Amino acid sequence: DTAVSQTPKYLVTQMGNDKSIKCEQNLGHDTMYWYKQDSKKFLKIMFSYNNKELIINETVPNRFSPKSPDKAHLNLHINSLELGDSAVYFCASSQDSSDGHTEAFFGQGTRLTVV
Amino acid sequence: SQKIEQNSEALNIQEGKTATLTCNYTNYSPAYLQWYRQDPGRGPVFLLLIRENEKEKRKERLKVTFDTTLKQSLFHITASQPADSATYLCALGGTASKLTFGTGTRLQVTL
Repeated sequence: DTAVSQTPKYLVTQMGNDKSIKCEQNLGHDTMYWYKQDSKKFLKIMFSYNNKELIINETVPNRFSPKSPDKAHLNLHINSLELGDSAVYFCASSQDSSDGHTEAFFGQGTRLTVV
Repeated sequence: SQKIEQNSEALNIQEGKTATLTCNYTNYSPAYLQWYRQDPGRGPVFLLLIRENEKEKRKERLKVTFDTTLKQSLFHITASQPADSATYLCALGGTASKLTFGTGTRLQVTL
């Protein structure tokens, strides 16, 4: 009964390919996120969705396209993969609160390696 | 530009001592600040949240302080144990539930 689960855990692919990472949360949360953690362990937000609506898009190349079919799922599709896309991608979710202050629950991460 | 700084070098302490980790920020006015723990190969796990109008928060052996004048948060682990060894991330919260993370500090607790 994992709270936030993402698949696959590891993804190795060649440059130029298109790949998707899936994320599901069973916490009933309204908001879901994608974060990228680079080789220096810096965790940076990419996208945020609230009830299937995009609310944060942080200067991410348009090769990256998030899709939220329902509020429990937020998938990340990446076109024309580049070497610099190699990183660990984390999905997360959080529950809206009256004061906007809430903790985020993270998945186990997807280590993407582009060769 | 906005910046969140944590000690980039690892912090090594002896079991039983108090570990103190620092998070400094510039050009931010966060509504709240959170601390997370990250183990190798895992996602961050939430530990504590402190709001801008709070000075201190405690949870078991953990204590967080938040000084909005100094633009600094301190994270303390008392009676540290080898199991506390991990990377600790601070994160600043603003609008739209957006969290901005620091680079993390790796803590190593030795026997």
